Amino acid sequence: AQTVTQSQPEMSVQEAETVTLSCTYDTSENNYYLFWYKQPPSRQMILVIRQEAYKQQNATENRFSVNFQKAAKSFSLKISDSQLGDTAMYFCAFMKHVGNTPLVFGKGTRLSVIA
Amino acid sequence: DTAVSQTPKYLVTQMGNDKSIKCEQNLGHDTMYWYKQDSKKFLKIMFSYNNKELIINETVPNRFSPKSPDKAHLNLHINSLELGDSAVYFCASSQDLGSRNEKLFFGSGTQLSVL
Repeated sequence: AQTVTQSQPEMSVQEAETVTLSCTYDTSENNYYLFWYKQPPSRQMILVIRQEAYKQQNATENRFSVNFQKAAKSFSLKISDSQLGDTAMYFCAFMKHVGNTPLVFGKGTRLSVIA
Repeated sequence: DTAVSQTPKYLVTQMGNDKSIKCEQNLGHDTMYWYKQDSKKFLKIMFSYNNKELIINETVPNRFSPKSPDKAHLNLHINSLELGDSAVYFCASSQDLGSRNEKLFFGSGTQLSVL
């Protein structure tokens, strides 16, 4: 079974600074997807960024980028120029490429952006 | 135009009651899911349906019964509600389980409080 570990329950960052959220996972699969989802106080689950394991290039979406280290099974999220609206729970998630398996989530990191 | 909509947003009820949560997606997706988010924010898959057929049923009590009248709808019925059922329930959908463009779209959640 796949597991996803987020070792930082809470983090804080000053506005405009950069912060990195950690995520490691365990799988015997070679092809899979990795995701970061954001859950603000509104409760809505918002997809931040997505990485396909067969792609070596790290995914980027505006101020959000990942550091995907397949051999180390690590998938960290970097948020640059942090904004107050980035305050949220962030969930790392794993999905196998084939087979009837849904997203497996980590336990989340609560990020607070401080003015 | 809400992509994945679930109702109600809040549900407060007494122990022993039976309640339903409805979910509809207008994205034309083949697969729908129910996730449960507990008080510690941990998200765990409950069920998934692909084209109205149940494909994943995690270790969920029989009191929980999903119903998919068509591939755009996946409702969750809960019998004999217990205190431990209090949580936020998220509906989600994706294009095709295991497709190369895989990602989940989530509803806004239903916060269930059992008194």
